[in-house]
Amino acid sequence: DIQMTQSPSSLSASVGDRVTITCRTSQSISNFLNWYQQKPGKAPQLLIYAAFSLQSGVPSRFSGDGSGTDFTLTISSLQPEDFATYYCQQSYSIPFTFGPGTKVHVK
Amino acid sequence: QVQLQESGPGLVKPSETLSLTCTVSGGSISSYYWSWIRQPPGKELEWIGYIYDSGTTNYNPSLKSRVTISVDTSKNRFSLGLTSVTAADTAVYYCARRPNYGSHFDYWGQGTLVTVSS
Repeated sequence: DIQMTQSPSSLSASVGDRVTITCRTSQSISNFLNWYQQKPGKAPQLLIYAAFSLQSGVPSRFSGDGSGTDFTLTISSLQPEDFATYYCQQSYSIPFTFGPGTKVHVK
Repeated sequence: QVQLQESGPGLVKPSETLSLTCTVSGGSISSYYWSWIRQPPGKELEWIGYIYDSGTTNYNPSLKSRVTISVDTSKNRFSLGLTSVTAADTAVYYCARRPNYGSHFDYWGQGTLVTVSS
């Protein structure tokens, strides 16, 4: 299985901050990397697929980058509704695997 | 707007079989991959497996011996069966759609908590 790590595991930030979350994979996955946002008691929501493609309806302040084993999710200007947990997921090989998550909370 | 809704028992006894159904509305179940994903309380997400409308399946090797996913295209729904459950199978179970053009999950059900306990 491809192992996923995320850093940091949690971060505190303020509205308006630029936030970057990193995801690393145990082997190269080209650009088969997706990002999700999950709020408490809710299902994950797709933000970014194929490393940098913005899902329809997702605000443009979210962006993704990277290839191979190192990937980033950036929120250019954090909004109140962005406080949540973010997960990366590799879709390069079966079994699909998710990262452990990064919780973004209020400073 | 595609919507997915999980249904099934919220409590299952140890050693018994967990059975859940996901009903798809607002779109056809045909020509997509349909997955089950679970999340134990406070833990990360685990992909269980998927099925295509033709019935082709692929399962997580860690669960493969206990999992069956089936599809009923006439009723626009698909189902999960997980045998010989233990407390470790307690989780929120989500169904999700994977489009043909990628391997991401673009639509999710709201999730249903299944507790394994006697």
